[in-house]
Amino acid sequence: DTAVSQTPKYLVTQMGNDKSIKCEQNLGHDTMYWYKQDSKKFLKIMFSYNNKELIINETVPNRFSPKSPDKAHLNLHINSLELGDSAVYFCASSQGPSGVNYGYTFGSGTRLTVV
Amino acid sequence: DQQVKQNSPSLSVQEGRISILNCDYTNSMFDYFLWYKKYPAEGPTFLISISSIKDKNEDGRFTVFLNKSAKHLSLHIVPSQPGDSAVYFCAASGHTGNQFYFGTGTSLTVIP
Repeated sequence: DTAVSQTPKYLVTQMGNDKSIKCEQNLGHDTMYWYKQDSKKFLKIMFSYNNKELIINETVPNRFSPKSPDKAHLNLHINSLELGDSAVYFCASSQGPSGVNYGYTFGSGTRLTVV
Repeated sequence: DQQVKQNSPSLSVQEGRISILNCDYTNSMFDYFLWYKKYPAEGPTFLISISSIKDKNEDGRFTVFLNKSAKHLSLHIVPSQPGDSAVYFCAASGHTGNQFYFGTGTSLTVIP
C-alpha cells in the first residue's frame, strides 16, 4: 500500500545505455514530479506534470524524457546515459499543482550509477 | 545558483534538549516554506510548512519561525528524541507553490 512507489530502487548501467525509471502513486494526486539529488545532496526539480500535462521543465538535457500515460504514473526515460547522470532520482506527487499545504509525497528514490 | 541554503551540514543534540535547524534563502519572492525529514534509503517526508504571512507555525514538538526581513527560517524541535535523527531539508516556493527549491539538508543526530 505504498503511496508513491518507484522502480527500480537501484540501477547500475554502462555509459551510453538507455534506461527507464517508473513511478506510480495511489493517492489520487493530480501532480507528479521528478527530482534529482546529486552528489552534493542538492535536490533539484526536473519535471512536473499536472493531469498528464507538462507544467515544469527545468533545464535538463533532452536525453531525459518524462512520460505520463495517466495521472497516476510518471516515468522517466534516459537516453545515452553519462557518468554525470549518476544520482538519486526521486519521484513525488501532490494534490493539485501546488505543494503548499501538505507538501509533496516522495517515493523512496532510485539510485542510478553509471559506470 | 542555489536559492535556498542550509549552511550547517550536521548537528548533534542531547536527547531532551532543543534542536535548531537553520535555513537561508535569497529570493524575496518566496512565499511558502516547507521542512522535510529524510531517513536513509527513504524519500523525504513532509514535516511542517509556513507561509510568508506568518512568522511562526507550530505542530506538536515542531515549530517553524520565519524572519522575512532576514530571509531566514528555522525549525525548532523540542524536546529532541533519538527518533528525530534524520536529514532535514528546507524548501521554498513562490506564490504558485508548484516549484519548490530545496536546501542541501542538515543531518541531525540526537544522542540518547
